[in-house]
Amino acid sequence: DAGVTQSPTHLIKTRGQQVTLRCSPKSGHDTVSWYQQALGQGPQFIFQYYEEEERQRGNFPDRFSGHQFPNYSSELNVNALLLGDSALYLCASSLSGWTVQETQYFGPGTRLLVL
Amino acid sequence: AQTVTQSQPEMSVQEAETVTLSCTYDTSESDYYLFWYKQPPSRQMILVIRQEAYKQQNATENRFSVNFQKAAKSFSLKISDSQLGDAAMYFCAYRSGRGAQKLVFGQGTRLTINP
Repeated sequence: DAGVTQSPTHLIKTRGQQVTLRCSPKSGHDTVSWYQQALGQGPQFIFQYYEEEERQRGNFPDRFSGHQFPNYSSELNVNALLLGDSALYLCASSLSGWTVQETQYFGPGTRLLVL
Repeated sequence: AQTVTQSQPEMSVQEAETVTLSCTYDTSESDYYLFWYKQPPSRQMILVIRQEAYKQQNATENRFSVNFQKAAKSFSLKISDSQLGDAAMYFCAYRSGRGAQKLVFGQGTRLTINP
C-alpha cells in the first residue's frame, strides 16, 4: 500500500518565478492538505482540498493556490516567489467527509530553495 | 484561534531511559484531537500517537504514552526505554473536532538519544 508521495524532492528557483509541487495521497484517501515548514519551525497550514474544492485556507497570500484532480492527487502552485518562500512543503492525506475525522498521513516533503 | 506551545526546544536522554516531552494548548472548544508526530532527519512526519479529547483514558502505543490533562490543557508524551531510532524532532499538534482537518503544530522539541 503506497503511502503519500510528493515530487520533486528538491527544487531551486529564482525570485519572481513560479513553482508547482505535486502530491499523490495514500491509497483510499480523498483529502489533501498542504503545509509549509520553515527551517526550525513547526508546519503551518496552507490549505486543504476535498472533492476538488478548497475546503479551508490558512493565512497565506493568494500567490499560493492549489488544485485537486479527480484521482485525488493535488498540486500546490506558488507565483512570484519570494526569498521567504524557501521552506519544506509537506502534503498530508486523509479520509474524510464533513462528519468523519481521520488522521493525516504525511509525505516526505519537497524542499524549495528560492535564490 | 487555537495555539500549541512546546516549551522545550531540546531534550536529551540516555538510551534505555525514559523521557517526557511537554505540550500545552489553548482552545475554547470541547471536541478536538491531539497528536504527537515525529520528524526524523529524513523529514517525513510520522504519527506517533493520537488522543481524542472526549476520552479520559490516556492513549498508549507500545513504548509511547501520553499524559492528557484536559482541564490544564496539557498533553505530554512519555517515551519509555528510549532507543537510538527515537532521535528526531517531535511535534505536538491540535485539530478541531468539527469541520475541516487543519492541524495546528507546536514549535517542536529536538530529542537526542545518548548511547
